[in-house]
Amino acid sequence: RKEVEQDPGPFNVPEGATVAFNCTYSNSASQSFFWYRQDCRKEPKLLMSVYSSGNEDGRFTAQLNRASQYISLLIRDSKLSDSATYLCVVRFRAGRRALTFGSGTRLQVQP
Amino acid sequence: EAGVAQSPRYKIIEKRQSVAFWCNPISGHATLYWYQQILGQGPKLLIQFQNNGVVDDSQLPKDRFSAERLKGVDSTLKIQPAKLEDSAVYLCASSYSGTAQETQYFGPGTRLLVL
Repeated sequence: RKEVEQDPGPFNVPEGATVAFNCTYSNSASQSFFWYRQDCRKEPKLLMSVYSSGNEDGRFTAQLNRASQYISLLIRDSKLSDSATYLCVVRFRAGRRALTFGSGTRLQVQP
Repeated sequence: EAGVAQSPRYKIIEKRQSVAFWCNPISGHATLYWYQQILGQGPKLLIQFQNNGVVDDSQLPKDRFSAERLKGVDSTLKIQPAKLEDSAVYLCASSYSGTAQETQYFGPGTRLLVL
């Protein structure tokens, strides 16, 4: 079983739509959670951290459910520029400071 | 502020040849990471340095991969000899001190094709 699992997509949505991605993680001792965005042939960039109480950044809302070990990302009012791969990322405890990435969910926003 | 620099950006080699990648992290960042990203997958950690010491190299194929970070700044990653399955993007990242909630900043990566 993969440590971090995501639906690879692609999700094809029209501009203005609301789209949600989910991600599950296997290690219940996980400490920190993030969503990264990766454009085609570019490096990953931090989109937002995910906190237990849920958090919002403009059109983006992230939720964490520790009991079920899943993380979600909601994008409202999708823009063409949101087209990218969204990587679910987890940092485990026990001294491991590096990040464990899911394989990513591809989003294509269409005009 | 300058970002993470990597070179070369692209490299094509034949199997069994050797190759080396270079990374210069953001100034003042103590923690440096090398990731391997195979097409269609997320990045996978190869090795993590804290200053010039290795923190985690559990996923580094040590029979063919080596890395060093002399003087705690620049780093090089070497593959010797390369295999076809090493074709991937090699990403270098850095962070200030490696704490749990800290942002990692990635370089543009080196695309390696092994023929």
